[in-house]
Parts: sequence; structure tokens; C-alpha cells
Amino acid sequence: QVQLVQSGAEVKKPGASVMVSCKASGYSFATYYIHWVRQAPGQGLEWMGMINPNGGYTSYAQKFQGRVTMTRDTSTSTVYMELSSLRSDDTAVYYCARDARQLVEVYYFDFWGQGTLVTVSS
Amino acid sequence: DIQMTQSPSTLSASVGDRVTITCRASQSISSWLAWYQQKPGKAPKLLIYKASSLKSGVPSRFSGSGSGTEFTLTISSLQPDDFATYYCQQYSTHSSFGQGTKVEIK
Repeated sequence: QVQLVQSGAEVKKPGASVMVSCKASGYSFATYYIHWVRQAPGQGLEWMGMINPNGGYTSYAQKFQGRVTMTRDTSTSTVYMELSSLRSDDTAVYYCARDARQLVEVYYFDFWGQGTLVTVSS
Repeated sequence: DIQMTQSPSTLSASVGDRVTITCRASQSISSWLAWYQQKPGKAPKLLIYKASSLKSGVPSRFSGSGSGTEFTLTISSLQPDDFATYYCQQYSTHSSFGQGTKVEIK
């Protein structure tokens, strides 16, 4: 069965960076794009960007350009999302999510990770 | 950026009620719209894609309609498991979500 398992909660100080991992299993890793979506406490969902595990092509939301980096390790079927220059309003649950179509990005998501809470506080 | 606006923000209903949630896009998105259900502390679950296509395994009481800029999600007979927050998402240009509609017990 398809599973996306994310790394555990993080607490960071303002100005620091955080890296969240997302390990995929149960399907062919290289054939589905992976997206990152975040949700601030009590708020809605916000798309951050996506990565093609086959080749590493990325596309980021304009809001996060210059602060976010998405990478992948095909040997472990893991995708990483690094967010730098953290601020208090980056406090959120960060989700990875699998694109719903194989080999092409359609930007809606059929499987999600369990979420990773990132808290930014001095 | 395409803005998505849902209404209402909160909806109070009873088991068995017919429930309709509206989602409007700031510009035409054709039928590139999905609906998700989210329960507290859990990741969203895909219900509907391409405005009206039901994801396999999703109960048939859920349906979606619309195109262009106006869309609806309808639950024909609300069940206890349906009390949750619902989000629409456009995927015409990258992706953006509505602010959510919480369906609560009346």
C-alpha cells in the first residue's frame, strides 16, 4: 500500500533552517511527483512547491522562492524539504503529498504524509 | 495567483441533511478543481477531482459540480463520519486552496 512517512516534529529558532523528510513506499518512487503543503495552526492549506523524483526538477510557489529547497534521494525513496530563514509565521504542520497522476504533474494529491509540526520560537 | 473563496466558513447541520458548499475562483479554472476532507489532526483526503469525478472508494453521497469560476460540493445525506472541514483546490495554475468550510453538528 502507498505510504508517505515523514520525519518528526521540530523546534527551531527564528533565522534557522529546518529540513523535513518524506519516505515513500508501496509504489514506483520515480514516477510520481511529490508536493509540499503546509497548514498554520487553525488555518487553511498552502501549496509550497513540488519535485519530480525522476531527475529532481522542482517548481516552487513564488512566496517561497529563495527560501525553500526540495531534493530527493532515489536510493532511499525519500524527498526532503528545507526551509531557511525561519520566522514565527512559518510555524505550521508541513505535509508531503503525492501527485495523483503517474509520470505527469496534475497538482492534485491522492496520498498524503502524516504531517510534521515545525515550531519556530525564540 | 488564483484566489479560491469558499462559503460558508462554517455550516451547522444534522445527520441526514443535504449539505452544499460553494467554491469560487478569481478567474476561470475550467474543471481543474478538487475537493478534500480533513479531520482534526489528520491529513486531508481527496474526495473529488476534475470538479465532478469521485475518487474510487469515496461514498456516492458526495458529489461535485461546476466549471469556470463556480463550483459546489454536495453531501446528499450527511453521515456522522462527514463532520469535518472541507477544502476546495484549484490546479489550473499550480495549486491554491480555499480557506475551508467546517461542517459541524447542529
